[in-house]
Amino acid sequence: NAGVIQTPRHKVTGKGQEATLWCEPISGHSAVFWYRQTIVQGLEFLTYFRNQAPIDDSGMPKERFSAQMPNQSHSTLKIQSTQPQDSAVYLCASSLDWNGPYEQYFGPGTRLTVL
Amino acid sequence: GDSVTQKQGQVTLSEDDFLFINCTYSTTTYPTLLWYVQYLGQGPQLLLKVTTANNKGISRGFEATYDKGTTSFHLQKASVQESDSAVYFCALVRGGSNAKLTFGKGTKLSVKS
Repeated sequence: NAGVIQTPRHKVTGKGQEATLWCEPISGHSAVFWYRQTIVQGLEFLTYFRNQAPIDDSGMPKERFSAQMPNQSHSTLKIQSTQPQDSAVYLCASSLDWNGPYEQYFGPGTRLTVL
Repeated sequence: GDSVTQKQGQVTLSEDDFLFINCTYSTTTYPTLLWYVQYLGQGPQLLLKVTTANNKGISRGFEATYDKGTTSFHLQKASVQESDSAVYFCALVRGGSNAKLTFGKGTKLSVKS
């Protein structure tokens, strides 16, 4: 079991460019979550999918951020027109079931730096 | 909305010292409370969880307790080791169809040998 895989591990973009982050959940897990981690804000929920369907995107900035899960083996988080304040570690997590036991397995994260 | 307050930003201890980290929470339902640990360069990993049914969890020498009356939960360890140095997060999840985690700000534990 390779765990949750996130690529790339590091990404540097210029202001105004697009960034796409990839997540491969653990095989067989039905729920996929995206979080953002910064020194100032800590760990913040962005969005999650259950059986590939979007369930809750209440943490997503309404502009420029979007997430998709086109199949059960990967999810993407896309940030359009990146801004310096988007710099953060973006974490993907998956869990066996959305309705408990609530153990979310996190990937190592993608560190996004916007210059 | 849900919130978790974790005031201890940094704790420095010596090996064999006692560890105690406290969190308080606010939510409109009966949550499951969790402790995650994050080592440098890795994502958080679940350390312990506590539900309103059991009030306590134990794993790897760590113990988590929960006080519904004061809406607080604690993480403690009797004797820390250098290898316990990491960032510890408390979190809550409502459960049911609401599976997202709400995290505290984290406590960075440094253990000196």
